[in-house]
Amino acid sequence: DAKTTQPPSMDCAEGRAANLPCNHSTISGNEYVYWYRQIHSQGPQYIIHGLKNNETNEMASLIITEDRKSSTLILPHATLRDTAVYYCIGEACSGTYKYIFGTGTRLKVLA
Amino acid sequence: SQTIHQWPATLVQPVGSPLSLECTVEGTSNPNLYWYRQAAGRGLQLLFYSVGIGQISSEVPQNLSASRPQDRQFILSSKKLLLSDSGFYLCAWSGTLMGEQYFGPGTRLTVT
Repeated sequence: DAKTTQPPSMDCAEGRAANLPCNHSTISGNEYVYWYRQIHSQGPQYIIHGLKNNETNEMASLIITEDRKSSTLILPHATLRDTAVYYCIGEACSGTYKYIFGTGTRLKVLA
Repeated sequence: SQTIHQWPATLVQPVGSPLSLECTVEGTSNPNLYWYRQAAGRGLQLLFYSVGIGQISSEVPQNLSASRPQDRQFILSSKKLLLSDSGFYLCAWSGTLMGEQYFGPGTRLTVT
């Protein structure tokens, strides 16, 4: 299974882009990278996922390096409501289910 | 649209008492269902997942059990709670086993 590494915390000014990095150097070629966020005292919220190509949706953009060893989640215009813990997850396709949430990155958006 | 429900929202139980948490999903058929636990200040720990009625896979051995009596119903149980069972319990569903998951509002359990 793909282990991921994220910085424990980051700050971002309101209105600026928030770039959240994730290292997943053990990811294999057919494993997707997923991003979720968890606002305090709520269940996690799915944000975006990708395999090789960069992805964009209404919430965020996901940039995956060509060697797939790392990725960056971009919130283009961070708001105070984006303050949350962001989890990067590498799925595992070894025949059994693995979907490991680490401790994530605590993003604080500052007014 | 799909909706996931969990109840109760909060629960305070004494050590040694039984537990039953319920999760139901609306608006989809044959979902994959998951139970997670989150201890205070920690990440999410997958406890159980289910790909169909009566099919339960356990990720972590403990005094908890799960059951799926109906397609869109997932139940987490314990016969005797421990102090270490305190935490935030989350139910989730997905359309495919390794696809994106959608979480319920959670149950905050305090064992005293």
